[in-house]
Amino acid sequence: AQSVSQHNHHVILSEAASLELGCNYSYGGTVNLFWYVQYPGQHLQLLLKYFSGDPLVKGIKGFEAEFIKSKFSFNLRKPSVQWSDTAEYFCAVNAGDGGATNKLIFGTGTLLAVQP
Amino acid sequence: DAEITQSPRHKITETGRQVTLACHQTWNHNNMFWYRQDLGHGLRLIHYSYGVQDTNKGEVSDGYSVSRSNTEDLPLTLESAASSQTSVYFCASSESSGIQETQYFGPGTRLLVL
Repeated sequence: AQSVSQHNHHVILSEAASLELGCNYSYGGTVNLFWYVQYPGQHLQLLLKYFSGDPLVKGIKGFEAEFIKSKFSFNLRKPSVQWSDTAEYFCAVNAGDGGATNKLIFGTGTLLAVQP
Repeated sequence: DAEITQSPRHKITETGRQVTLACHQTWNHNNMFWYRQDLGHGLRLIHYSYGVQDTNKGEVSDGYSVSRSNTEDLPLTLESAASSQTSVYFCASSESSGIQETQYFGPGTRLLVL
C-alpha cells in the first residue's frame, strides 16, 4: 500500500532562515507528488506538484521541491522563510490504484512556525 | 468566481444523531472527495465520487455515506454520530480522474460529537 511519511511534525524557524521539509513515499511505480499548505483558519491550497520532467519543481511563494526517485523523496524547500509562511504543510502522493485514480494519500503534516 | 463551499462550518451534535455535511462546487468538476483531518493522521479519504450516481469507499468509510445526485453536490452523512467522528471534514473536487489532477479543497467543517 502507498504511504507518505513526513519526518518533521513541528518546525520552528526565525525569519530569513532556510527551510527544508522532508517527505518520503512508498510506491515503486509512477507517482505524482504534491505539496499542499494550510494557513491558519484556511483551507488547503496547492503549493506545487510534480508529475514528470524536471525533478526540481517550483511553486508559489518561492517554494520549490525536488523529486529524487532513488530516495523516494520529495522534499520541500524555501531559501528564506517569512512570518507569513507559518502554516501546516502536507505532502501527498497519487499513484492511482489500477482502476480508480486521483486518490491522494497524505502525510501527517508538518506544522511550521516562523518567528519574526 | 467558481468555488467549493461547505456547510455548516461548525457543528456540535450528540452521539447517535444523524448528521449531514454539505459540499457544493461550482466548477462543474466530475470528481468530488471527502476527507477527515485528525491530529497525527493528516487527511484521510472517507468517500469519493467520479460522477453522478457514482460513489466509492475510501480509507475510513465506516459510519459514513455519500450520494451524488448531481454534479455540484456531494453531501456526507454520518448515520449515527460517534465521538470518534469528532474531526475537521474537508471536501475537495477535481476536474478529471487523472492522477496528475489537482484537487481543490473547501474551507472545512469542524464537527464535535458529544
